[in-house]
Parts: sequence; structure tokens; C-alpha cells
Amino acid sequence: QVQLVESGGGLVKPGGPLRLSCAASGFTFSDFYMSWIRQAPGKGLEWLSYISSGSANSNYADSVKGRFTISRDNAKNSLYLQVDSLRAEDTAVYYCARAFCADYVCGLDYWGQGTLVTVSS
Amino acid sequence: DIRMTQSPSSLSASVGDRVSITCRASQNINKCLNWYQQKPGKAPKLLIFAVSSLQSGVPIRFSGSGSETDFTLTISSLQPEDFATYYCQYCQQTYRTPWTFGQGTKVEIK
Repeated sequence: QVQLVESGGGLVKPGGPLRLSCAASGFTFSDFYMSWIRQAPGKGLEWLSYISSGSANSNYADSVKGRFTISRDNAKNSLYLQVDSLRAEDTAVYYCARAFCADYVCGLDYWGQGTLVTVSS
Repeated sequence: DIRMTQSPSSLSASVGDRVSITCRASQNINKCLNWYQQKPGKAPKLLIFAVSSLQSGVPIRFSGSGSETDFTLTISSLQPEDFATYYCQYCQQTYRTPWTFGQGTKVEIK
């Protein structure tokens, strides 16, 4: 069965870096786009980034462009999100999700359980 | 960038009610519209893909419709397990297109 497990969250100081990981299993990881989404406490979903199956293409929300970097290692079935210059407003649960794409439409059909990032001094 | 606006932001309904949630895009998005359900403390779940395709295992009381800029999620007969927050999402597989979520609609028990 498809499984996505995020890790790397925790309490971090403002200004610091953080690297989130997502371990995938139960499907051919290299065949799928992948995405990161976050949800601040009590708030809605915020899409952050996606990366294509072979890493050739990626895109970011304007709110994180320049600070967040998505990457993947298909040999390790792993997705990553490098977050730099953390701010208090980055406090959120961070989810990774698999993107199923057909006829130029993509849907996030499997999600991890999320990892909580708290930015505080 | 494309903006997605849901309405209402919340609603109260009773078991058995027919419920509709609207999502409006700031420009024509063709079929690139998905719906998700999220329950407290849980990851979102994809309900409907590409406007109207029901995901496997999703009850048939859920349906999606619409085109261009205006889309609707309908629950034909609300069940106790349907009380949740629902999100629409624009999600086109092209370069440089953000996959924007709507702000969410919370469905509460009346």
C-alpha cells in the first residue's frame, strides 16, 4: 500500500534552516510528481511546491519562493524540502503528497501524516 | 496567479440535508479543479479529481460539477461522517503554475 512518512520537523529558532524528508513506499516513486503542502495552526491548506518525476521541473508558491527548495532522490524513494531563514509564520504542519496527473490535471491522491514545524526562540 | 475563492466559508446543516459548496477561479481553469475533505487532526483526502471524477472508495453522495471559472461540490444527503472542512484546488500540470487551494469551507452540525 502507498505510504508517505514525513520527518525532520520540530522546534527550530527563527533564521535557522531545516530539512524535511518524506519517505515513500508502495508505489514506483520515480513515476510520480510530488508536492509539499503546509497548514498553520487553525488555518487552511497552503500549497508550497511540486517537483516533476525526474526533477526537471519544479514550482513554488510566491510566499516561499527563494527560501524553500524542493528536491528528490528517486534511488532512495525520498522527497525533501529545504527551508531557509525560518520565520514564525512558517510554523505549521508540513505534508508531502503524491500527485496523480492525467490529461494535464494533477490531484494529490496520497498524503503523509504530516510533520509539525514550530519556529520559536 | 490564479486565485480560488470558496463560498460559504462555513455552513451548518443537518444529517440528510443536501449541501453545496462553490469554488470560483479568477480565470478559466478548464477541468483543473479538485476537491478534498479534511477532518480534524487528519491529512486531507482527495474526493473528486478534474471537476467530476469520484475517487475510488468515495461515496456516490458526493458529486462535482462546473466549468471554466465556477465549480460546485454537492453532498446529496449529508451523513454524520461528512462533517469536515472541504477545499477546492487548482492543479494544472504545466510549468510555473501554482497549485492553489481555496480557503476552505467548514461543514458543521446544525
